[in-house]
Amino acid sequence: GAVVSQHPSWVICKSGTSVKIECRSLDFQATTMFWYRQFPKQSLMLMATSNEGSKATYEQGVEKDKFLINHASLTLSTLTVTSAHPEDSSFYICSARAEGLAGVYEQYFGPGTRLTVT
Amino acid sequence: AQRVTQPEKLLSVFKGAPVELKCNYSYSGSPELFWYVQYSRQRLQLLLRHISRESIKGFTADLNKGETSFHLKKPFAQEEDSAMYYCALSTWGAQKLVFGQGTRLTINP
Repeated sequence: GAVVSQHPSWVICKSGTSVKIECRSLDFQATTMFWYRQFPKQSLMLMATSNEGSKATYEQGVEKDKFLINHASLTLSTLTVTSAHPEDSSFYICSARAEGLAGVYEQYFGPGTRLTVT
Repeated sequence: AQRVTQPEKLLSVFKGAPVELKCNYSYSGSPELFWYVQYSRQRLQLLLRHISRESIKGFTADLNKGETSFHLKKPFAQEEDSAMYYCALSTWGAQKLVFGQGTRLTINP
């Protein structure tokens, strides 16, 4: 149980276009999902917290108009990178927060999406 | 602000040797500490968390509030332990994880 999927797994887009990444909790409902960004050989940096039915909360330095987050249902959050530029090329990872077997909350991670902007 | 430091980017030990991956944190409140592991070509997964006080795959980690540390230990390393390990901190309820830079552990045969 507690599987999180992401689609697509990799995407190449041209500079100036927009790209949407989906994050789905497959067998559980998640009121809270998170979006991370990971540069090569670096750690995960939290971009934003996505709450179902409300606006996302962005971390300092993350442009909310560039990285649009929509958490329309309890099993789906989307990240849209608008007007993408080569510096947006990165590995984007989502996670979903849910109650684990031990009755405590934990984050379950998706496999990530590799975005390359040419 | 919360911060997690993993001083070693790379750690290489021989099979059967003890392993210790260091993690230090800074946070003025009561943190939740986690260790996540990422095996080759797999997603990030939770290895253990301090509130569970359990041993997973032979690994243990003790939260030392005095030294603000949460080092990961295993007495006898196995080749399948080779992976990327991330220490992470949350203020409560697994919200807003702050990750360390990660340590790539290589177990040599």
